[in-house]
Amino acid sequence: GAVVSQHPSWVICKSGTSVKIECRSLDFQATTMFWYRQFPKQSLMLMATSNEGSKATYEQGVEKDKFLINHASLTLSTLTVTSAHPEDSSFYICSAVRVGSLNEQFFGPGTRLTVL
Amino acid sequence: GENVEQHPSTLSVQEGDSAVIKCTYSDSASNYFPWYKQELGKGPQLIIDIRSNVGEKKDQRIAVTLNKTAKHFSLHITETQPEDSAVYFCAATTGAAGNKLTFGGGTRVLVKP
Repeated sequence: GAVVSQHPSWVICKSGTSVKIECRSLDFQATTMFWYRQFPKQSLMLMATSNEGSKATYEQGVEKDKFLINHASLTLSTLTVTSAHPEDSSFYICSAVRVGSLNEQFFGPGTRLTVL
Repeated sequence: GENVEQHPSTLSVQEGDSAVIKCTYSDSASNYFPWYKQELGKGPQLIIDIRSNVGEKKDQRIAVTLNKTAKHFSLHITETQPEDSAVYFCAATTGAAGNKLTFGGGTRVLVKP
């Protein structure tokens, strides 16, 4: 149990295009999902907290108009990188907190974004 | 806010030996401390966690200890195997903000056969 999937696992796009990444909790419901960004050989950097049915909470320094987050259901959150540029290239990882659990947070496999 | 420091940043051990990774946290209100293992190109995997109401937890070759007074917790891996080679992250949370985690900087563990 507690499986989180991400789609796509990798994506290459041209500069200026938008890319949508999906995060799904497959066998549990999650009122809260988190989106992280990770650069090579670094720790996870929290970008935003995604709450089902409400607006996302963004960390300081993260542009909410560039990284659009939607949490439409208890099993799906999406991150859209708008007008992507090469500096947005990174490994994006989501996580989900299982409803009724005590803090346990489960991570997806990550999405590698490369912007040319 | 919470700050988590993790040491060492790299750790090389001989197969069969033990590995110990230590983390300290700053917020005394933190009450949940998970450990994640991340293999190259993959997402972090929860391997063990501990809550503030216990001092030690063990799961086969993996154990975690917590010292609330000193505000530090440690991961112990015994009888290391090559498949234990990965990056390990500690984290802490007070449970606020939807259980937002604060991560340590990570430890790259290499188990030499």
